[in-house]
Amino acid sequence: QQPVQSPQAVILREGEDAVINCSSSKALYSVHWYRQKHGEAPIFLMILLKGGEQKGHDKISASFNEKKQQSSLYLTASQLSYSGTYFCGTGTGSGGSNYKLTFGKGTLLTVNP
Amino acid sequence: NAGVTQTPKFQVLKTGQSMTLQCAQDMNHNSMYWYRQDPGMGLRLIYYSASEGTTDKGEVPNGYNVSRLNKREFSLRLESAAPSQTSVYFCASKPDSYSNQPQHFGDGTRLSIL
Repeated sequence: QQPVQSPQAVILREGEDAVINCSSSKALYSVHWYRQKHGEAPIFLMILLKGGEQKGHDKISASFNEKKQQSSLYLTASQLSYSGTYFCGTGTGSGGSNYKLTFGKGTLLTVNP
Repeated sequence: NAGVTQTPKFQVLKTGQSMTLQCAQDMNHNSMYWYRQDPGMGLRLIYYSASEGTTDKGEVPNGYNVSRLNKREFSLRLESAAPSQTSVYFCASKPDSYSNQPQHFGDGTRLSIL
């Protein structure tokens, strides 16, 4: 079952902040975040693992709440280059031959000057 | 650094035709994946191969077959194409089937079935 992302779309002005949420109905072991620009391949942003790890780079960070089975992606002081569709991918196990990600439907982020 | 290479980039087929989408990675990765992406649906897993010699069904396997030809190559075959299979297809790979590793995606194959 696909994780649910919210909001579906958000429009920002440069410099504004945004939060994208990803919720699952299943217990999660890991959450992956990717960004995809129109007509391009998804690009890896970060992974969060069970245990409350918070990862980030530059002005993009994320959190993972195992109990609530959800993750949030935080984009601060947004830049034009942040525009794109953000996907979360959830994994219910630590690995093995059956390990796979289930992706949400995506959140379209538009940053305007 | 080629990464994950998909061929062809674009293809138009007629209903009932067959087609094989090719995917090759040069990163010595063990795990490979095929996804389809439709507007508003996100990425949905068709088939995956956790390691050379193994393949498993994902969420939407009907109408597709796969072959893990060797460690580098993972192909996706449409035996009798249907308009519902019009989509963008992405191949991805990762070092192993562990949760702490990112997937690397190819540039996609845009497939239209008339």
